[in-house]
Amino acid sequence: NAGVTQTPKFRILKIGQSMTLQCAQDMNHNYMYWYRQDPGMGLKLIYYSVGAGITDKGEVPNGYNVSRSTTEDFPLRLELAAPSQTSVYFCASNPRGGGSNQPQHFGDGTRLSIL
Amino acid sequence: GENVEQHPSTLSVQEGDSAVIKCTYSDSASNYFPWYKQELGKRPQLIIDIRSNVGEKKDQRIAVTLNKTAKHFSLHITETQPEDSAVYFCAASTASKLTFGTGTRLQVTL
Repeated sequence: NAGVTQTPKFRILKIGQSMTLQCAQDMNHNYMYWYRQDPGMGLKLIYYSVGAGITDKGEVPNGYNVSRSTTEDFPLRLELAAPSQTSVYFCASNPRGGGSNQPQHFGDGTRLSIL
Repeated sequence: GENVEQHPSTLSVQEGDSAVIKCTYSDSASNYFPWYKQELGKRPQLIIDIRSNVGEKKDQRIAVTLNKTAKHFSLHITETQPEDSAVYFCAASTASKLTFGTGTRLQVTL
């Protein structure tokens, strides 16, 4: 009963490096989301997906890319890491067909520092 | 897009007292309003939610009220305990997306 699994838990990157944050869910949820949470702040939506092959931008998509080739996986890619991308990244998912009226289940987060 | 404002940003109460956190939203199409609790270094966890066809919902010491006309909703915690200390986020849902408030840091003192 894993729920939403994020890897890695922690990562330090140098400016200009790239990396992929992994997110997987085993609940057969159609909807998946990526948020970033800066220190002392709320969650801001980066990208979301309503099903395999479909992705859309959220509030703060610049500097990120996503893909959704399967229902289970929703990776987030940083191409050219910048210090402004230092944050905690959370992945979340919604049940099939629930859309916005169902609770989002969150992963444990990835703490990313860019130096 | 949707805009959610949350107040206060910090709240300190004595154990046993009540705590109230208030949120307002801008999009009248929003129809789902969850509340999340986040402990330090942990993920947000849903504690209660309310849908737009309901005015109030209660779960033990926690209750949420919704005023659609005024576009505001509130979280009420009664008989607060030290383990209630955390950051609480409200959110409003439009279509497929949630918009979060900026959070309230609740501290329950002995």
